[in-house]
Amino acid sequence: NAGVTQTPKFQVLKTGQSMTLQCAQDMNHNSMYWYRQDPGMGLRLIYYSASEGTTDKGEVPNGYNVSRLNKREFSLRLESAAPSQTSVYFCASGEPGQGSYNEQFFGPGTRLTVL
Amino acid sequence: RKEVEQDPGPFNVPEGATVAFNCTYSNSASQSFFWYRQDCRKEPKLLMSVYSSGNEDGRFTAQLNRASQYISLLIRDSKLSDSATYLCVALGRDDKIIFGKGTRLHILP
Repeated sequence: NAGVTQTPKFQVLKTGQSMTLQCAQDMNHNSMYWYRQDPGMGLRLIYYSASEGTTDKGEVPNGYNVSRLNKREFSLRLESAAPSQTSVYFCASGEPGQGSYNEQFFGPGTRLTVL
Repeated sequence: RKEVEQDPGPFNVPEGATVAFNCTYSNSASQSFFWYRQDCRKEPKLLMSVYSSGNEDGRFTAQLNRASQYISLLIRDSKLSDSATYLCVALGRDDKIIFGKGTRLHILP
């Protein structure tokens, strides 16, 4: 039982390059999330997927796209990377409730640097 | 008012002492509150849920004060291994999950 896994762990990109961050969970959770974490800014939600086949914007979606490939996998794509996207990216999964939610389980993160 | 607000610290506390920190939230309708712990360069991990009646887990106690819209975390008999950043979580205005920016805690030997 691996929990939430993310690849790659580290990545360096040049401005304008594209890449996809991969995330998978084996806990059979319906909801999955992508966050970025910057010093002094805390965790900010980029996109989330409440269930397979649905995706919604979070607080900071600009410059990103997501795909909920199936129940297990949720990918985050940077089409044209910018230095402002240098950050640590965390994927998480969990189960929402009615007007509430249950705890989220996080992957180990991807440290992305855009030069 | 920010949706979820925490004192960033750092709190520098001698080993064995008791430390408490609060987190305020703006959405009075939020039904879900949590404390997460995050070690340096690691992912956040759930520490404990915060229930209306309070919640205790060993040396850790979490409380919810709905009237004043804050949650608290109390750590008794602090250990060196408690050094970390503590993140509080609540639901925001549009039922989106909001993490606070975290409170840094340093336990001093």
